[in-house]
Amino acid sequence: DAGITQSPRYKITETGRQVTLMCHQTWSHSYMFWYRQDLGHGLRLIYYSAAADITDKGEVPDGYVVSRSKTENFPLTLESATRSQTSVYFCASSAPGDLAYGYTFGSGTRLTVV
Amino acid sequence: DQQVKQNSPSLSVQEGRISILNCDYTNSMFDYFLWYKKYPAEGPTFLISISSIKDKNEDGRFTVFLNKSAKHLSLHIVPSQPGDSAVYFCAASADTGNQFYFGTGTSLTVIP
Repeated sequence: DAGITQSPRYKITETGRQVTLMCHQTWSHSYMFWYRQDLGHGLRLIYYSAAADITDKGEVPDGYVVSRSKTENFPLTLESATRSQTSVYFCASSAPGDLAYGYTFGSGTRLTVV
Repeated sequence: DQQVKQNSPSLSVQEGRISILNCDYTNSMFDYFLWYKKYPAEGPTFLISISSIKDKNEDGRFTVFLNKSAKHLSLHIVPSQPGDSAVYFCAASADTGNQFYFGTGTSLTVIP
């Protein structure tokens, strides 16, 4: 299916565990982003990538790791999950310079760390 | 430091009336502004945009106004419909790395 897909939709993990959230897009967009949504904070950028093998930190990168070996995939890994990382995570993609339409977002992953 | 602010966490409006959602920003380098709409359990979806060379952009019932001197933008929805009930995020970009900064969102409830 065309679009941007995130998996899993829901995840419960224990404190200290490593967990990876997956993001896949079919448009060959060069830019991909990871945001987290928290009440009172809106959407905050964790990491972004301008192309395969190019990643950069956003506003709240601590505790997260990303990789982008292929244009279409942009996984987000929590190396040692903490309760403060309980959140809804959104992946997004865009083409370069396509600012008039912003990003296309995935449906999100709701992560609960217990 | 929040560069894009939505100071009203929630707004309730009667069906058929006008909804006005507000957004303020601090970075004068921002030159593209967007509004996104988000339903529960879904990702945000693009609604309408405006570039800094304009002060108004319309799309059907939705109009975005930009006041650069005040660093303020607003989204007008006329007439409001129950299906417009959602969280609305404004976002701004300075065209550096396609990066948008988002506000905290305003939850709109349209009462039938």
